[in-house]
Amino acid sequence: SQQGEEDPQALSIQEGENATMNCSYKTSINNLQWYRQNSGRGLVHLILIRSNEREKHSGRLRVTLDTSKKSSSLLITASRAADTASYFCATDRMQGGKLIFGQGTELSVKP
Amino acid sequence: NAGVTQTPKFRVLKTGQSMTLLCAQDMNHEYMYWYRQDPGMGLRLIHYSVGEGTTAKGEVPDGYNVSRLKKQNFLLGLESAAPSQTSVYFCASALAGGPSRELFFGEGSRLTVL
Repeated sequence: SQQGEEDPQALSIQEGENATMNCSYKTSINNLQWYRQNSGRGLVHLILIRSNEREKHSGRLRVTLDTSKKSSSLLITASRAADTASYFCATDRMQGGKLIFGQGTELSVKP
Repeated sequence: NAGVTQTPKFRVLKTGQSMTLLCAQDMNHEYMYWYRQDPGMGLRLIHYSVGEGTTAKGEVPDGYNVSRLKKQNFLLGLESAAPSQTSVYFCASALAGGPSRELFFGEGSRLTVL
């Protein structure tokens, strides 16, 4: 079964608005990563947050991690049409060396 | 610097045929992975390798075999293709096996089994 579950499955916003995507997982993790996938392309790594971190920033991206709730959120501020893509969370479980992906959130940013 | 290269990019097979997908990375990465991506299912791990000569099963290994004879290459084989194996396949690699693994992905191989 999938380790990560993203919510919502699809999100449509206007350019300039903020976009928030959530990820929940089931078992203890070492770290959680977020990836982006443009249509028809491979995935690109965005940001990694370790299990002992609560918040991390990278440019217009803000990621939070709540290990007590087993959840993470990705915030994209001041969104642009170029942010239109699918976003995936991936977890590195403490038992095993695999990176397991969720089903993704499809973000559409309208100009 | 090519990164992760997958060949072929597109392939159509008939049920029962066999084929091999090739993944090559030029970053001297230890870990390599094969995922499949299906609508509504996200990415699911098929097999992975933690180093040259090693392979391990992922979430959905049935119907696939892999080999890692050289560090830079990771091959995914379908011995007898089935329509359920119609998917987009992604190869990825990572520098180290610790908790800070950033995966680098190829552009995908789209396989259709008729």
